[in-house]
Amino acid sequence: DTGVSQNPRHKITKRGQNVTFRCDPISEHNRLYWYRQTLGQGPEFLTYFQNEAQLEKSRLLSDRFSAERPKGSFSTLEIQRTEQGDSAMYLCASDGSSRNEQFFGPGTRLTVL
Amino acid sequence: GQSLEQPSEVTAVEGAIVQINCTYQTSGFYGLSWYQQHDGGAPTFLSYNALDGLEETGRFSSFLSRSDSYGYLLLQELQMKDSASYFCAVRIEGNYQLIWGAGTKLIIKP
Repeated sequence: DTGVSQNPRHKITKRGQNVTFRCDPISEHNRLYWYRQTLGQGPEFLTYFQNEAQLEKSRLLSDRFSAERPKGSFSTLEIQRTEQGDSAMYLCASDGSSRNEQFFGPGTRLTVL
Repeated sequence: GQSLEQPSEVTAVEGAIVQINCTYQTSGFYGLSWYQQHDGGAPTFLSYNALDGLEETGRFSSFLSRSDSYGYLLLQELQMKDSASYFCAVRIEGNYQLIWGAGTKLIIKP
């Protein structure tokens, strides 16, 4: 297994457009997390799935953000009507053990013009 | 609210020992994690403490005091490759969500 992968690695879009990111976790991991990180800050929790169930969603997350994990494997994060403030690195992580170690993907860097 | 405090920047010399502190105020606590992130890279897991005391993994050790809501990461025999940002993160009781500090940038001088 090659770890957590994310696509695309970079996305440039115009304000008001919709964007979708994909995350493929480590295959045996049942928990999947989405985070957002801006320069000089720690990752900010967005949402988390256990298998296909979305169990937590940050109260900071506006209705423009939605995430799915339809078959308990890969996940998608969609941002509708993007705003310049959405520009950030979007990180996906997965885990599946009791060791409390989350494995992160390389991230998708979003730039909203 | 939830908050984690850690120094924004620490400077040390190659070969030395450095300690990065983290204090937290969270509603519920299950454990404290430490992650390393190089510029342009993804966070990578270093350690996890759920109980008071010191956990040692090679050159890195992590300490937790639940009564003081405090922990630290100790890096020994510093190498230039240890130059990175280090984040403490709290896992809240009852779920797997992590709440992260703003990170400490470790600068290592030869």
